[in-house]
Amino acid sequence: EAGVAQSPRYKIIEKRQSVAFWCNPISGHATLYWYQQILGQGPKLLIQFQNNGVVDDSQLPKDRFSAERLKGVDSTLKIQPAKLEDSAVYLCASSLGSQGASNEKLFFGSGTQLSVL
Amino acid sequence: GNSVTQMEGPVTLSEEAFLTINCTYTATGYPSLFWYVQYPGEGLQLLLKATKADDKGSNKGFEATYRKETTSFHLEKGSVQVSDSAVYFCALLPLGYQKVTFGTGTKLQVIP
Repeated sequence: EAGVAQSPRYKIIEKRQSVAFWCNPISGHATLYWYQQILGQGPKLLIQFQNNGVVDDSQLPKDRFSAERLKGVDSTLKIQPAKLEDSAVYLCASSLGSQGASNEKLFFGSGTQLSVL
Repeated sequence: GNSVTQMEGPVTLSEEAFLTINCTYTATGYPSLFWYVQYPGEGLQLLLKATKADDKGSNKGFEATYRKETTSFHLEKGSVQVSDSAVYFCALLPLGYQKVTFGTGTKLQVIP
């Protein structure tokens, strides 16, 4: 089966510029996640979608980050304007999304490595 | 709140050595517990899981037992290989929720 696709693989921008990341989840997966992984830390959930609705965006810096999942399939994450501390790997993951499933398995993409100079 | 604490790395072992990576958790109720692995240049992938107390998850020679009394889920392997070099993340999923919380990761380096 095809995995979670992300692009671009790498991105280098200057601070105050904007950037967008794209994710295509596994076909049929209702739940989509965006994680931020800063070097040396574990992934931190930024936003979680169930179909095209937001389930959790409590840790998304909404003054600069935005995300959408139109039509409940692929998703984009945008940062505008970027700061130095946004340098990280941005991981997209998807899951079947069975509500309340106790063994929900996440499938991750390879991530987008962002460097803000 | 929910949290996961892992032993700090990096952990450097010789090939065929015994591996233990400690993981303890704090959560309400009885969460599901996971170990994910991230090989260089790749995304995270599920290594093993356990959904209730005393369950043992296993895969590729790795094992972890869900210990409710010590709130732990330590990862073990009897004989590591160079190809096991990666970063290992312990994670939990609270019952009834879909938000997975990850630990900070432990880097394992296996030398020939």
